[in-house]
Amino acid sequence: AQKITQTQPGMFVQEKEAVTLDCTYDTSDQSYGLFWYKQPSSGEMIFLIYQGSYDEQNATEGRYSLNFQKARKSANLVISASQLGDSAMYFCAMRGRLYTGKLIFGQGTTLQVKP
Amino acid sequence: ETGVTQTPRHLVMGMTNKKSLKCEQHLGHNAMYWYKQSAKKPLELMFVYSLEERVENNSVPSRFSPECPNSSHLFLHLHTLQPEDSALYLCASSQGGDRGALGYGYTFGSGTRLTVV
Repeated sequence: AQKITQTQPGMFVQEKEAVTLDCTYDTSDQSYGLFWYKQPSSGEMIFLIYQGSYDEQNATEGRYSLNFQKARKSANLVISASQLGDSAMYFCAMRGRLYTGKLIFGQGTTLQVKP
Repeated sequence: ETGVTQTPRHLVMGMTNKKSLKCEQHLGHNAMYWYKQSAKKPLELMFVYSLEERVENNSVPSRFSPECPNSSHLFLHLHTLQPEDSALYLCASSQGGDRGALGYGYTFGSGTRLTVV
């Protein structure tokens, strides 16, 4: 089976500091994709960053980077220089070949950025 | 208009009512999905439509009835709901069908916040 685990229900970070949100996954697929989404209080799920299982370099998108450690099956999101607008729920998700290719999500981490 | 649009944004309905949620995408995607997001629970995949055919129904009660008349529109028809059905219902779409390339993430709408009274 496929499973995504986010062990941090809530996190606080000071504005302008960096923060790491943890994500571990379990899959028997050899080929899979890992995603991070942001969900503000408005409800919309906003795509942040993608990492393919065969990508050798860690993905980066502006202030977001994904710390991919394949052997440990972890895909942590790093947000640099936090801003007040980063306060939201963050979801790690995975899409593999074995289970119809559907996107499955972790439980989410609520991030609050303090001024 | 671009992206995935869901209407209404908020809905309050009684347990005996019948209502429908609407989702529309203008991205040229050919797979569409309904997710349920309850408080303090992971997102639950309800239905998957690929190329206008339902390919997955994750043991969803029959009081939820999906409809996909074409690749751009997805509906969720609701009838005789229970208070525990109160949740945020999210629609999403993706390229390449439900078994598309792994790099294709899902594009989500803003959701419909449903309250059953």
